[in-house]
Amino acid sequence: QQPVQSPQAVILREGEDAVINCSSSKALYSVHWYRQKHGEAPVFLMILLKGGEQKGHDKISASFNEKKQQSSLYLTASQLSYSGTYFCGTEGSNAGGTSYGKLTFGQGTILTVHP
Amino acid sequence: SAVISQKPSRDICQRGTSLTIQCQVDSQVTMMFWYRQQPGQSLTLIATANQGSEATYESGFVIDKFPISRPNLTFSTLTVSNMSPEDSSIYLCSVCCPGTGGTEAFFGQGTRLTVV
Repeated sequence: QQPVQSPQAVILREGEDAVINCSSSKALYSVHWYRQKHGEAPVFLMILLKGGEQKGHDKISASFNEKKQQSSLYLTASQLSYSGTYFCGTEGSNAGGTSYGKLTFGQGTILTVHP
Repeated sequence: SAVISQKPSRDICQRGTSLTIQCQVDSQVTMMFWYRQQPGQSLTLIATANQGSEATYESGFVIDKFPISRPNLTFSTLTVSNMSPEDSSIYLCSVCCPGTGGTEAFFGQGTRLTVV
């Protein structure tokens, strides 16, 4: 089942912050975040596995709620290089508590950062 | 990590013809995945390719239209058969997620297909 991403698009000026959300109707095994620039393959940002987890590097971080149904990506002090389309990819859990090993992607959030 | 070489990078094809896309990984992987990304859209999983068994197709995708081969643990092909303009998309192969701790998905650079 495809996760729901919001918002669909965000326009920022350099230095501003943004939050992108990803929601599932079922508990997930993991959430991945990717950024894709036009004409390129998606680039991995981070993966979250545990309920309540928060992680990040530089000025990009993400959280995974306790129920493992919602994740948010936080972009702080945005830079021009942050522009692109952000996708969350979710792994579902099987009956054994492990993943099926395949990702289902949200519809994407277009982030545009202006000078 | 994994490095994936995908080719061709782009092609323009006549309707009714077929195109085979190749995906080579620099390490052995159990599962390989094929995605389609239509213009301005998200990535949609076509099928999962396991070595030594038939590919598993997602709803809306069939083997006759998208036959897949997986002859060994480092290589897979996807054929787009009897093409129509609606097949114009980017096709990506990927390896991911052994399910034992979570790892990132690695993608090939994609094949940009235009059907005329």
